[in-house]
Amino acid sequence: DQQVKQNSPSLSVQEGRISILNCDYTNSMFDYFLWYKKYPAEGPTFLISISSIKDKNEDGRFTVFLNKSAKHLSLHIVPSQPGDSAVYFCAASAGTTDSWGKFQFGAGTQVVVTP
Amino acid sequence: NAGVMQNPRHLVRRRGQEARLRCSPMKGHSHVYWYRQLPEEGLKFMVYLQKENIIDESGMPKERFSAEFPKEGPSILRIQQVVRGDSAAYFCASSPGQLVGQYFGPGTRLTVT
Repeated sequence: DQQVKQNSPSLSVQEGRISILNCDYTNSMFDYFLWYKKYPAEGPTFLISISSIKDKNEDGRFTVFLNKSAKHLSLHIVPSQPGDSAVYFCAASAGTTDSWGKFQFGAGTQVVVTP
Repeated sequence: NAGVMQNPRHLVRRRGQEARLRCSPMKGHSHVYWYRQLPEEGLKFMVYLQKENIIDESGMPKERFSAEFPKEGPSILRIQQVVRGDSAAYFCASSPGQLVGQYFGPGTRLTVT
């Protein structure tokens, strides 16, 4: 039962342009969301988070948008850089009803930034 | 400040043997999480521990799998009588508390032959 879905397995974007990664979820109890970046043979690296009381969180080149009514969040990376080429995972937690440590992950989106 | 350490990085076991995976959290982190990533899939939550306590093990298979995080020493994920389907990458993460991002180790790739 996949409660967090990243429907685009891959995304190719030109350097300097905006990368938009999408994530949908089915569990309406999810109230805390994270994005991670993962390089091959390494563990995921935390990028940015958002709680359900917000609809936007920004950190440098990364912005996460949350649309609770649509159960959808997105990660914008602007401008995209070659070092952004990695797999990006969306993760969600229903901390107020479950445990905060229990995150459900999407399957990931492979981003390739081309020169 | 060293990151999350996991060892071994690669582990090969024959069917029926035991696998022990170790995780040393970041300094100052008392929350540890284990995830499993099967080929072509995202990470699947297994267990959440806080020093000497299991907080949530709802993602852990009921048989053969156990986890601990003793007062001293690393967290251990133990898989008894491994089967081919246990072959996966096992990631450990740690955090200083709840409602913060988790910091991941490099993972242990378990291969069962």
